[in-house]
Amino acid sequence: GGIITQTPKFLIGQEGQKLTLKCQQNFNHDTMYWYRQDSGKGLRLIYYSITENDLQKGDLSEGYDASREKKSSFSLTVTSAQKNEMAVFLCASSYRGAGERLFFGHGTKLSVL
Amino acid sequence: QQKVQQSPESLSVPEGGMASLNCTSSDRNFQYFWWYRQHSGEGPKALMSIFSDGDKKEGRFTAHLNKASLHVSLHIRDSQPSDSALYFCAARGSALGRLHFGAGTQLIVIP
Repeated sequence: GGIITQTPKFLIGQEGQKLTLKCQQNFNHDTMYWYRQDSGKGLRLIYYSITENDLQKGDLSEGYDASREKKSSFSLTVTSAQKNEMAVFLCASSYRGAGERLFFGHGTKLSVL
Repeated sequence: QQKVQQSPESLSVPEGGMASLNCTSSDRNFQYFWWYRQHSGEGPKALMSIFSDGDKKEGRFTAHLNKASLHVSLHIRDSQPSDSALYFCAARGSALGRLHFGAGTQLIVIP
C-alpha cells in the first residue's frame, strides 16, 4: 500500500500572507488533486495535475497557485490569505482512468488570524 | 449549479437499523459513480464504486444505480456507531475527466 503525506497538519497565517501547503504520495499515481473543504461541507476542486509539470484549474483556482515539481509531489500556494478564513485542504492522488479511486491525505487545517 | 446533489443533508438511525443515502446527477455524461466516507479528522476514503445499472453489494453496503434517472443510492444494513461519518457521492464522465463531489450526507448512528 501507499500513503499520502500532507504538511503541515495545521497552518496558522496572517491576513495577506502567502502560504504554501505540500503533498507527497508514494503510490506512483499519475494524477494529483487539491480540494478545499469548508466546515461540514463538500469538496471543491482547486487544481489538479495529470502528470509531472501539468496543471489544470478546478472550480476554485482564483487566489491559489499550484506546482507539480515531480510525479510524487504537488504543492499549493494561497497567494494572499483572507482574514478569518478557516478551511481544510485535502490532497488526493489516483491512477489515470475514469474508474480509478482517489486516495486522500489527512488534510491541512488552515486558520487565518 | 452543483452537478451532484445529495439528500438528506443529515440522517440519524438507531444502531442495527438501515441507512439510505441518495444522490442525483444533473449531467447525463456521468458514467462512473463512487461513494466516499469521511470520519472526523481524516480524509475521505473510497467506500465502493458502481458503474453499471442495478445493485452492487459489498458486505453491509449496497449501492444502486439507475442511469436513466441519473440516480444512485447507498444503503447500509445493520448500521454501526463506527458508520457515523460524512458520506460523499462522486461522479465522473470521460476517461480523463475530473471527479465531481456532492455536498455530503452526515450520518449519525445512535447506540
